[in-house]
Order: sequence, then structure tokens, then C-alpha cells
Amino acid sequence: GAGVSQSPSNKVTEKGKDVELRCDPISGHTALYWYRQSLGQGLEFLIYFQGNSAPDKSGLPSDRFSAERTGGSVSTLTIQRTQQEDSAVYLCASSTQGSHNEKLFFGSGTQLSVL
Amino acid sequence: KQEVTQIPAALSVPEGENLVLNCSFTDSAIYNLQWFRQDPGKGLTSLLLIQSSQREQTSGRLNASLDKSSGRSTLYIAASQPGDSATYLCAPRSMDSSYKLIFGSGTRLLVRP
Repeated sequence: GAGVSQSPSNKVTEKGKDVELRCDPISGHTALYWYRQSLGQGLEFLIYFQGNSAPDKSGLPSDRFSAERTGGSVSTLTIQRTQQEDSAVYLCASSTQGSHNEKLFFGSGTQLSVL
Repeated sequence: KQEVTQIPAALSVPEGENLVLNCSFTDSAIYNLQWFRQDPGKGLTSLLLIQSSQREQTSGRLNASLDKSSGRSTLYIAASQPGDSATYLCAPRSMDSSYKLIFGSGTRLLVRP
């Protein structure tokens, strides 16, 4: 596609429910990133995928968070047993190869609200 | 661990003013630094990427400078317009974790007509 696409754009859920957030990167981009932006705070790195390499999951805040990337393209971020502190904007980005000289291209994000 | 600070946190100016947004970072071992803008409810749009070997990078009315040794970058916006109103974020790319951009909290800019 022309840009990074994320769905849904907004998600309201009840505490304790599981949610899935989807990211469709720019076609041909092998590197994919998930960030979280909480109200009034900066962006927090969550996870990084690069090609067929093992993902860097070092930013995931707890074992309730997991992510996968199928076929080297679409990625899904899953949050199990959601808590109110999970409320945030979840942003996905992609870049061509994950080289340090590349620009990152971000999607519009998923606004998650946990009631 | 890289820490990024942006000053001011918020800025309100009348249309037409030239303005400077500041970004400082603690670890000068970086590959480059990227400036983004974020509109309300939207993702981030890359504005400029300045390599560690560069001093300046320009795009239209925007000019970014980088002083790596002192851990500082500035974004200069010339002849500001209401359409420039957004949050501006800087993100250095550290050599110790090259794919993890570390973001500042941003400067919220309002340009008044």
C-alpha cells in the first residue's frame, strides 16, 4: 500500500478482555516496529521485526503483550487481559531494511481505551 | 541509556514568526537524528533526517542542525504558518541500539493566524 495502515483506528474494551491490533506495513518494507504513546508521554519502543530474524521483544512491558508477523508482512499486536494502564495509542512503523540510515514511516495508530 | 529532552514543551506564536525548537540528548554516539511532526489523532510524519556527519539539513522552510558532540539539535521553522501547528518530536538513533529510536516528549506548537 501507499503507507502504513493500522486497524482499528479506535478500540474501546473492558478490563480483562483480550485485544488484537493490526499493522500492514508499506509493501516491500522488511523492518517493522511497534511503539506505544501514553497520554502526556513520549513514544515507548515495544518490539522490532526484521525479515526472518528473531524479533527484539525487549520493550514489551509484560507477558500479557505479544506480537507476531506473518509472512514477513502484516503484524498483529495482542494484549491479553487488558488493564487500564494499557490505554494508549499504539503506533506501528516500517522501514525498507532496518538500516540505521533509513527513515521510519508511521501509521496513524490505534487509540486503545480500557474501561 | 539515551535520554532525550525537548524544550520548550509548548509554544504559541503569531503567524509569520521564525522559531526554534530545541532537542538535547545524553548519548552522543548516534548514527543520525530524525525530526517528526505529529498532528492530533495522527501518526508521525518524518520531516528531516540528519546524519551524524552532517551539520545541517534543509527542507523548504525547515532547517535542522546537529551538534553531536554537545548532544544538541535544533529545528528552525521560518515564516511560520497556522498549518505548522502540531507536535514536533526528535529522535536520535543510538549506535548501541540502532533500530530503537528514542523519542523526546515533543514540543506542541500553535501558530495563531
